[in-house]
Amino acid sequence: DTGVSQDPRHKITKRGQNVTFRCDPISEHNRLYWYRQTLGQGPEFLTYFQNEAQLEKSRLLSDRFSAERPKGSFSTLEIQRTEQGDSAMYLCASSTSGGSTDTQYFGPGTRLTVL
Amino acid sequence: GQQLNQSPQSMFIQEGEDVSMNCTSSSIFNTWLWYKQDPGEGPVLLIALYKAGELTSNGRLTAQFGITRKDSFLNISASIPSDVGIYFCAGRSGTYNQGGKLIFGQGTELSVKP
Repeated sequence: DTGVSQDPRHKITKRGQNVTFRCDPISEHNRLYWYRQTLGQGPEFLTYFQNEAQLEKSRLLSDRFSAERPKGSFSTLEIQRTEQGDSAMYLCASSTSGGSTDTQYFGPGTRLTVL
Repeated sequence: GQQLNQSPQSMFIQEGEDVSMNCTSSSIFNTWLWYKQDPGEGPVLLIALYKAGELTSNGRLTAQFGITRKDSFLNISASIPSDVGIYFCAGRSGTYNQGGKLIFGQGTELSVKP
């Protein structure tokens, strides 16, 4: 069990550029979550997939944000036309509906800095 | 919307002391989780609670799911320097095997003086 992995770990971009992050969940975990965390705050929910289906989206997920999980395995989160307010840690978590309990395990995060 | 109030915001303690932190919610949760986060890393799960009144231990850590389902606490006994970090509570409306978003508290930053 290799845990949740995220790539890249750090991304610095200029305002207006597009960025894409990848998350690989724990193998056989069919649920995948994206959260955003700003300095001094707890993570805030963005969106949630069960297999390929995107089941819930937060109002935080503006039109510039899109998440996909095309084959029910890895997921990507894209931010278009980045703004300085998008600077944050983007966290991915996964869990399984196949166990006795649903517990979310987090990856190391992608730190985004928008200049 | 749902909010979690976590207290205290920060604690400065001497090595060997016991620590207590808690979380309260304006809404009922069916699952409570406690995570620890080190700088630049993702949260690491410490304890998961799935039933009201449940008391669960993990080594020196003990957590309880409040009877009202609107609160939870975490205790750390005999603190050591590696306990330093930020502790987050998280609640979920879904029951033990249901998916769904976590709502997080603001975190408790723990500092331990050797």
